[in-house]
Amino acid sequence: KQEVTQIPAALSVPEGENLVLNCSFTDSAIYNLQWFRQDPGKGLTSLLLIQSSQREQTSGRLNASLDKSSGRSTLYIAASQPGDSATYLCAVPPWGFGNEKLTFGTGTRLTIIP
Amino acid sequence: DGGITQSPKYLFRKEGQNVTLSCEQNLNHDAMYWYRQDPGQGLRLIYYSQIVNDFQKGDIAEGYSVSREKKESFPLTVTSAQKNPTAFYLCATGDYFRSQETQYFGPGTRLLVL
Repeated sequence: KQEVTQIPAALSVPEGENLVLNCSFTDSAIYNLQWFRQDPGKGLTSLLLIQSSQREQTSGRLNASLDKSSGRSTLYIAASQPGDSATYLCAVPPWGFGNEKLTFGTGTRLTIIP
Repeated sequence: DGGITQSPKYLFRKEGQNVTLSCEQNLNHDAMYWYRQDPGQGLRLIYYSQIVNDFQKGDIAEGYSVSREKKESFPLTVTSAQKNPTAFYLCATGDYFRSQETQYFGPGTRLLVL
């Protein structure tokens, strides 16, 4: 059974710093890996989706990488801002299921200190 | 205004009562999903539906029921058999035939037990 882990559970950094969030998964047979953002009491917003054949994806100040062989993904946030404060979750669907049956990590709660 | 609507935002359940959470979408997506989120845990899949009049159990379907009579609607009933229903419930949609796309989430319903 796929297990997805995100460490640390919480992270605080001063505004302006670059930071990296980590996501590990146990089964490398994945269709893609997805990063989401969740603000308190809200739904999830998709940030980046990396196909299994890709190594990284970029969107603005965000860059996500994927290393299937080691079962790891990172989300790099450049020049952090207070508005980046949120919980970040990664999720993977098993191979052959497309986007069905996403398995989510427990998330990293990020606080950017002004 | 396109998107996913969940209602109510807060729902209170009495012992032995069934309650129904609404999820409506106008994204014309075929697939719809229900997740449960508990503090400190990732999202867990309750039920999903790929097409109208068809749905599948997720990882934690016991104590829940769904219907999919219309493409736009996927209501979730929390029955009295669900002994620990207090949680944040999220509905999501996806384009089943375009699996390289992510899932889109509604704003959520918080269910509390009186």
